Amino acid sequence: EVQLVESGGGLVQPGRSMKLSCAASGFTFSSFPMAWVRQAPTKGLEWVATISTSGGSTYYRDSVKGRFTISRDNAKSTLYLQMNSLRSEDTATYYCTREELGGFDYWGQGVMVTVSS
Amino acid sequence: DIQMTQSPASLSASLGETVTIQCRASEDIYSGLAWYQQKPGKSPQLLIYGASSLQDGVPSRFSGSGSGTQYSLKISSMQTEDEGVYFCQQGLKYRTFGGGTKLELK
Repeated sequence: EVQLVESGGGLVQPGRSMKLSCAASGFTFSSFPMAWVRQAPTKGLEWVATISTSGGSTYYRDSVKGRFTISRDNAKSTLYLQMNSLRSEDTATYYCTREELGGFDYWGQGVMVTVSS
Repeated sequence: DIQMTQSPASLSASLGETVTIQCRASEDIYSGLAWYQQKPGKSPQLLIYGASSLQDGVPSRFSGSGSGTQYSLKISSMQTEDEGVYFCQQGLKYRTFGGGTKLELK
């Protein structure tokens, strides 16, 4: 059974940093691109970043470029999202997802990040 | 960036009714489209990928169609468990979601 379990969320002040982790199991982690998708309270879904199978290629939405870094450790089957210079508009539930055929076929339960003073 | 526009924003349907949700892309996405269902407090679930391919385990009453810039999701016979919010998503250039359609039981 595919499982994606996020951790690392919480309350953080504007301008500070936070790192999310996603532990994957039930599939060959190194064979799939992975992504982070977020959802602000009562809002829609917003793609944040994608990383290739090897980690050699990364892609970001414009609003997080230069502030967020997606990475992976295939030996540990773990995905990361380092978030720096956080803003109030980054407040959201962050989902770890597996990418397949242009879509996101498995999702974690999500982790809440609240950026507030 | 490719923009995705869904319609309607909300709708209500009776049990057994056929429901159709539309999604329009700002440019041709060559069938690179997925549909998701999200229930309150839950993570989204993939329903359709490649515009018309049904994800494993998804009931056959769900179907997707379309090409170019126009796509649709059809539920052939509305069930209680189909209530939720539906999102489309393009996968051609980066990833973009539509704004969502809230489906309620009438």
